[in-house]
Amino acid sequence: QPVLTQPPSASASLGASVTLTCTLNSGYSNYKVDWYQQRPGKGPRFVMRVGTGGIVESKGDGIPDRFSVLASGLNRYLTIKNIQEEDESDYHCGADHGSGRTFVYVFGGGTKVTVL
Amino acid sequence: QVQLVESGGGVVQPGRSLSLSCAVSGFTFRSDDMYWVRQAPGKGLEWVATLSYGARDKYYADSVEGRFTISRDTSKNTLYLQMNSLRSEDTAVYYCARGRVLRSSTWFDPWGQGTLVTVSS
Repeated sequence: QPVLTQPPSASASLGASVTLTCTLNSGYSNYKVDWYQQRPGKGPRFVMRVGTGGIVESKGDGIPDRFSVLASGLNRYLTIKNIQEEDESDYHCGADHGSGRTFVYVFGGGTKVTVL
Repeated sequence: QVQLVESGGGVVQPGRSLSLSCAVSGFTFRSDDMYWVRQAPGKGLEWVATLSYGARDKYYADSVEGRFTISRDTSKNTLYLQMNSLRSEDTAVYYCARGRVLRSSTWFDPWGQGTLVTVSS
């Protein structure tokens, strides 16, 4: 099954940009990855799904256009442009893995984004 | 407006049982796969269980297989998670989520606000 790796933290100054990385393990370069935002003390919120080639397959309700995604090889990226205070959150990536009559959904460890 | 509200969390001793509920509104409950996901304190997210829209298929993480049971009552628009033989490592905030599917691939949207389960003597 896939394994997703995320750096534990990232930061950006107010109004700047930050790019978050989610790396799939070898052999899973064709997997779609989902991004979730989790504000402090809240449940996660779906941001966007990125397919191979950086195609946006789905976007969460109310997600600003400041959020965008890219894909390259085993890496899936979430970029936040013109970062705002309300973007300070944990960001989790995830992917499903269904094989016949089994199902698994795996998450990365999450990246904590700080707005300076 | 789609809404999911979890309840039933609390403090429970190791080895005991607890049942969580997730009341849903704003969508046709029986037409969607439903999920439980948990988050241990200070840790990342962990998928726990899946209930297919027809309630025929159930899938569990290895960490809870044989101890947890996912179910639903469509007349009450409520999803459940029965947790037996609880362990300290089951301590977490438990979220329910609606599954969204595109070309047989799933993501979670939306999520509830979560309910905290603490397993401690």
